Amino acid sequence: GAVVSQHPSWVICKSGTSVKIECRSLDFQATTMFWYRQFPKQSLMLMATSNEGSKATYEQGVEKDKFLINHASLTLSTLTVTSAHPEDSSFYICSASVADQTYEQYFGPGTRLTVT
Amino acid sequence: AQTVTQSQPEMSVQEAETVTLSCTYDTSESDYYLFWYKQPPSRQMILVIRQEAYKQQNATENRFSVNFQKAAKSFSLKISDSQLGDAAMYFCASRNTGKLIFGQGTTLQVKP
Repeated sequence: GAVVSQHPSWVICKSGTSVKIECRSLDFQATTMFWYRQFPKQSLMLMATSNEGSKATYEQGVEKDKFLINHASLTLSTLTVTSAHPEDSSFYICSASVADQTYEQYFGPGTRLTVT
Repeated sequence: AQTVTQSQPEMSVQEAETVTLSCTYDTSESDYYLFWYKQPPSRQMILVIRQEAYKQQNATENRFSVNFQKAAKSFSLKISDSQLGDAAMYFCASRNTGKLIFGQGTTLQVKP
């Protein structure tokens, strides 16, 4: 149980275009989802927290207009990178938690974004 | 603000031996959780072990155990009988108010 999927696993896009990454909880309802960014051989950096039906809460320094997060249902959150640039190339990871298990986050397998 | 520090960027251990990864943290909260995650080359984050701050007993999961020193704000991970499959990047993390804060990570190499 507690499986989180991400789609796509790897995406290449041209500079200036937008790309959407999906995060789904497959066998549970996720009241909260988190989005992280990870550069090679570095740690995970929390970008934003989203609760179902509410606006996402972004961490300091994360551009809200560039990284659009939508958590429309208890099983789906999306991250849209708008007007992508090469510096947005990174590994994006989502995780999900359940309201009554506040100590646990279940991680997706990640999405590698390459902007050319 | 919460901070988590892992001072060992890389560690190496011989297969079947024991290795300890260090982690210190800083938090003003009294109720929090601490975790060790493993990230193998696939980059899938895998929970290794979890410790509730209010529990004095150190958590243990098979070959993995922690040394939780609350007053010193230290949370080290001991891997016993190291196996080749243990080779990965290990992250220490603390959680309260719903957010996970990760340390910088320690890359563990296991030598056959």
